Amino acid sequence: QQQVKQSPQSLIVQKGGISIINCAYENTAFDYFPWYQQFPGKGPALLIAIRPDVSEKKEGRFTISFNKSAKQFSLHIMDSQPGDSATYFCAAREGSTLTFGKGTMLLVSP
Amino acid sequence: NAGVMQNPRHLVRRRGQEARLRCSPMKGHSHVYWYRQLPEEGLKFMVYLQKENIIDESGMPKERFSAEFPKEGPSILRIQQVVRGDSAAYFCASSPGRVETQYFGPGTRLLVL
Repeated sequence: QQQVKQSPQSLIVQKGGISIINCAYENTAFDYFPWYQQFPGKGPALLIAIRPDVSEKKEGRFTISFNKSAKQFSLHIMDSQPGDSATYFCAAREGSTLTFGKGTMLLVSP
Repeated sequence: NAGVMQNPRHLVRRRGQEARLRCSPMKGHSHVYWYRQLPEEGLKFMVYLQKENIIDESGMPKERFSAEFPKEGPSILRIQQVVRGDSAAYFCASSPGRVETQYFGPGTRLLVL
């Protein structure tokens, strides 16, 4: 069973637009929710992360919104740029183990 | 400060051969994690090790796969008698502590012919 469900599978956004990626989970033991960015042929790189006692975290153009009661969290990329084109993975941690969503392939068109 | 190092970056093996994947964690990190990524899939946890100890191997296939993290040297993920289904990208991550942020290496892409 898929413990972290991520959508959409792919996303095309125009330059300057807002990219929104959503994740949902069931396991209430998850205590840390990072987002990773992965370029082709590279390893995932930590982008931004949030803990469940916070509803929103912003770092530059990237914002995580967290809804604990709905067990959902999302990544917003403001003013999306072609250089943001990559695959984005949400993840959730229980203990020391990360469970990943299946990823969203983002393409920002010039 | 070098990041997580993995080698080789690409590995080709024929069915039945052994594959050895190496991971050197970031300096100061004593916790290592291995993940497998199949095409168009997210990363799946395999095993978590601390120096000389396997802490959690709940994601590791029961047969043919083993991992170690010796006192000296890199962590090794070993796959014996590889099959085509083992073809994937294998990523190593490290962290300074048990519940700290995990930093990923560039991965080893294994192709089994």
